[in-house]
Amino acid sequence: DAGITQSPRHKVTETGTPVTLRCHQTENHRYMYWYRQDPGHGLRLIHYSYGVKDTDKGEVSDGYSVSRSKTEDFLLTLESATSSQTSVYFCAIKLAGEETQYFGPGTRLLVL
Amino acid sequence: AQKVTQAQTEISVVEKEDVTLDCVYETRDTTYYLFWYKQPPSGELVFLIRRNSFDEQNEISGRYSWNFQKSTSSFNFTITASQVVDSAVYFCAPQPASGTYKYIFGTGTRLKVLA
Repeated sequence: DAGITQSPRHKVTETGTPVTLRCHQTENHRYMYWYRQDPGHGLRLIHYSYGVKDTDKGEVSDGYSVSRSKTEDFLLTLESATSSQTSVYFCAIKLAGEETQYFGPGTRLLVL
Repeated sequence: AQKVTQAQTEISVVEKEDVTLDCVYETRDTTYYLFWYKQPPSGELVFLIRRNSFDEQNEISGRYSWNFQKSTSSFNFTITASQVVDSAVYFCAPQPASGTYKYIFGTGTRLKVLA
């Protein structure tokens, strides 16, 4: 257990509304990642962070922004949700000295 | 450019059969890491194994074994004497040694083990 929690675990929202997903870790890991999982695509990286206020884009970053103002929290924001952002969102952390990522439980987001 | 292929979308086997899941990672990099994850019906992602590109020794862990062949770019995963609890989606996830530790996930193989 890498001490990762995601909130909310489930969310239904309407097109055009802002949504923020939170990833919280308790062990001061430097690297954190946000992925989305869609049928036929596996997991795709949205954004990642390599430290407080240090973030970078992944392969599917359009329509998403992130913030990391403290080590333990990595926030993913959909500024104006669209139906194409209906997905399962996973947060991950990387332990120091390892290459392996460990994943949170996921957040199911439905945009109507 | 790198490309990861899990050509088997879905596999069904009967309990106690052996099953091999294929993964091909095409890259010009000489240094990289290879991972397998399991996603059971409950939805969480479970880390199974990490190997590096310099290590072509097969690895066995209980009923699981992994075979990496750099010459064919394949990193295959075998479950011996499959069980119903092995039913899950299995993802191969190469990681270029770029310093950002980013994965390139395959599309996954859904394994159904029938009793």
